[in-house]
Order: sequence, then structure tokens, then C-alpha cells
Amino acid sequence: DSGVTQTPKHLITATGQRVTLRCSPRSGDLSVYWYQQSLDQGLQFLIQYYNGEERAKGNILERFSAQQFPDLHSELNLSSLELGDSALYFCASSPSGGASSYNEQFFGPGTRLTVL
Amino acid sequence: ILNVEQSPQSLHVQEGDSTNFTCSFPSSNFYALHWYRWETAKSPEALFVMTLNGDEKKKGRISATLNTKEGYSYLYIKGSQPEDSATYLCARPINDYKLSFGAGTTVTVRA
Repeated sequence: DSGVTQTPKHLITATGQRVTLRCSPRSGDLSVYWYQQSLDQGLQFLIQYYNGEERAKGNILERFSAQQFPDLHSELNLSSLELGDSALYFCASSPSGGASSYNEQFFGPGTRLTVL
Repeated sequence: ILNVEQSPQSLHVQEGDSTNFTCSFPSSNFYALHWYRWETAKSPEALFVMTLNGDEKKKGRISATLNTKEGYSYLYIKGSQPEDSATYLCARPINDYKLSFGAGTTVTVRA
């Protein structure tokens, strides 16, 4: 158990809908990262927040947005869902804001999103 | 190499045998290299963070070496056990905040 929690575990919805994925980082971790893993694709970095502020963006679609709240939990909002958005969405946390140094990331169990 | 490449994509090992596989990365502007283990139905778990001045890293029967000059890292599993079956990912920071992951090497240990 990494200490990172994600809810829900599974989500099934229809195209065009909007969903919110939630992540609570490990106690004391200030950084939250979101990743997408689609079929036959590796882990794709979406976005990072550090202490409430957006730090870095990856290949995140405009239909997707995220935020980190004062209690450090984070939400990833996916709207106008398409079939291709079906994927496993991971949240990870680390103590500080830098991935380039020695900060290993601790991954949550993931949310499996299925868009029908 | 634009980002991170891992080879082979998959390998099968007999229980008790040792194995190794490679992560290749651009040798310029090296910050660090991360190794993660991802077991089926679980989430990725950090194994090592390799740094510029770092020596070989070891965790139990798993160890990793780093060659920043030529841009590769090897992960070794000694005396493979069924519980070592997993996908092993390497990742490199491409700026201060973004980790770029390789596609992984999937190891299957046969009893």
C-alpha cells in the first residue's frame, strides 16, 4: 500500500458525459501527478500540481482539467468523454516538487474508466 | 534516442535463472533515472532512483547499474522467482517536473 488513494476504482459512463476522478496523496506529500495508461500505450504524463499550483503539463487534452485543493487532494475532470478516453488513470505523489532529482513517485491503485 | 527505450519488450525466465534487461536514454543533460516495478493488477512501485554520482543500486535480488556516458541502465534479477513476474519500467525526467516513461520490459518467471 503506497498511501495514495484514488476513487472510484472503476467508472463506466457514456460518451459525452463528464466525470471526476479523485486522488489523495500520501500524508505530507505536496506534489500530485496524473497519468493515463491506454491500451497498448505506456504511462503518459498528464499534469502535475505542487501545493495547490499547477507545475507541469503533459499531453493533456483541453477537455481534461485538474486542480489541487488546500487539503492537497486532487481531482481530474474529464468532460465530453469519447471512446478513446477509456483508460487506467493513475495518480502519484511525491514529497516535493521536483521529478528531476531524487523524488520517487508513489502511485495510487488507479481508476479504470470505461466509456461506452 | 528521443526519450526512453527499453529492451526487450518481454522475456521469459526459468525460476532460479538470472536475467537482465536494458533501458536506453539520451546521454546529454542527465538528471536521474527511475526504475519502477509494475505487477499485474497493482500500481507501479519505485525500485531505484539512479543519480549521476550513484553507484550500483541493490534491493534484495534486484540490482541496477548506470552508464550515463553511453546512456543506458541495466536491471538485473538474480535467481528469478515467480513473484518477480512484472513489468519493469524505467523513466527519466525531461524537465524539472515531468517523468517520461519507457514502454517497459515484461518479465514472466516460469516455475
